[in-house]
Amino acid sequence: QVQLQESGPGLVRPSETLSLTCTVSGGSIPNNYWSWVRQSPGKGLEWIGYVFYTGTTNYNPSLKSRVIISVDTSKNQFSLKLTSVTAADTAVYYCAKHVGNYFDFWGQGIPVTVSS
Amino acid sequence: QSVLTQPPSMSGAPGQRVTISCTGNSSNLGATYPVHWYQQLPGTAPKLLIYSNNNRPPGVPDRFSGSNSGTSASLAITGLQADDAADYYCQSYDSSLKAWVFGGGTKLTVL
Repeated sequence: QVQLQESGPGLVRPSETLSLTCTVSGGSIPNNYWSWVRQSPGKGLEWIGYVFYTGTTNYNPSLKSRVIISVDTSKNQFSLKLTSVTAADTAVYYCAKHVGNYFDFWGQGIPVTVSS
Repeated sequence: QSVLTQPPSMSGAPGQRVTISCTGNSSNLGATYPVHWYQQLPGTAPKLLIYSNNNRPPGVPDRFSGSNSGTSASLAITGLQADDAADYYCQSYDSSLKAWVFGGGTKLTVL
């Protein structure tokens, strides 16, 4: 069974860059798509983007200008960078395995607060 | 507000049947993109409950079933149990937004 675990800072200053990593175990990065999804009280669940093991990415157009998702197959990890954050980016961030049009395995989530 | 519309809350007594609706438009459910459902217990991550309209992953009881028609979809739960109390989310793809989208979630209370 695939397991995912998010890691990274829980507090980010406004205008700075949010950086998170997802470590995959029980399965391998290759041949799969890997997504980031966030959940905030104000906007509910929001898909951020995905990365394929080759490095191909696809981002939510609403966040595209600020998002970079990358993959490191040697470490079985993929990462999220969200630049120029504001309080509106405060949320629980989940990494998930993306199969076709749905998400079959999720990490436990990591809360991130944007505040000075 | 969310692209897919769900009732904010519903309730039912143990043993009853409840149906949670999910309404979209011509860019998502109406465009025949499949709908998927997730269950989120308090303090945990969403868990895949139904995929591709009416398929259950291994381990999901057959008390849970999905259906869809036109721009709407439904999740039915029969034989309601206390541990079914959770938030339920529908999800699909929207061709206009070019993004995978979620409903706002329905909080199910078991009386």
